[in-house]
Amino acid sequence: DGGITQSPKYLFRKEGQNVTLSCEQNLNHDAMYWYRQDPGQGLRLIYYSQIVNDFQKGDIAEGYSVSREKKESFPLTVTSAQKNPTAFYLCASSPRQGSSYNSPLHFGNGTRLTVT
Amino acid sequence: GENVEQHPSTLSVQEGDSAVIKCTYSDSASNYFPWYKQELGKGPQLIIDIRSNVGEKKDQRIAVTLNKTAKHFSLHITETQPEDSAVYFCAATSNAGGTSYGKLTFGQGTILTVHP
Repeated sequence: DGGITQSPKYLFRKEGQNVTLSCEQNLNHDAMYWYRQDPGQGLRLIYYSQIVNDFQKGDIAEGYSVSREKKESFPLTVTSAQKNPTAFYLCASSPRQGSSYNSPLHFGNGTRLTVT
Repeated sequence: GENVEQHPSTLSVQEGDSAVIKCTYSDSASNYFPWYKQELGKGPQLIIDIRSNVGEKKDQRIAVTLNKTAKHFSLHITETQPEDSAVYFCAATSNAGGTSYGKLTFGQGTILTVHP
C-alpha cells in the first residue's frame, strides 16, 4: 500500500528540548510539505520541498528546521526557539507541481506534539 | 499572498438534508480549489477539486461550484449521512510560479455534524 507514514502518533517533550518528527512516503512523489494544525485556524504551511536537497520556508517557518536528503523522507525538527510548539503536525506529499497544473496533496495521519 | 475565508465554522444537519460550505479567496491568480475531509485523529483526505476553467463539478453526492468573478467557491453535500460528519477544509492555490508555486492556502475548517 502506498502512502505517507508519520511517526510517532503522539510525542511528549519538555520545554527547551528539540524534537524531530518523522515523515516517510513511498508514493514516489517529488514534493513534500509540513503543515501545522491548531483548533480553529486551519492548516498553516511550515516548510515545503519540491525536490531533494532543496526546501523553502512556508508561512510559519520560525522555530522549525527541515532536511530533504532522500526523496522519500522529510523530517521536521521543532526547536526550542518555537514559542508555541504544542500542535498537531501534518506531513503531505504530491507529484511535482507543473507549470500548467496543480496536483492534490496526500496527507499522513499526523503527529500530536505536546510540550510542557 | 492568498487568503481563504471559510464559513460556517460549524454546521449541524439532519440525516438526509443538504449541507453547503462556502469559501472566498483573495488572489485572482488562484486556479485550483480542492476540498478535504478530515476525520478525528487522521490527516485530511481529498474529496473533490475544481480548476478555474470549469464552474461546477459533481461526484455522486458531492458537488463543488466556482464563481471566479466573485472569487468564491462552495461545497454541496446532498442526502447527508452520519458518516459525513467530519471537519471539511477548502483550499486555494496558484500555479503561477515563484514562492507560491504549488502552495495551498487553507480555510479555517467547518465542523459538520449529521444527526441520525
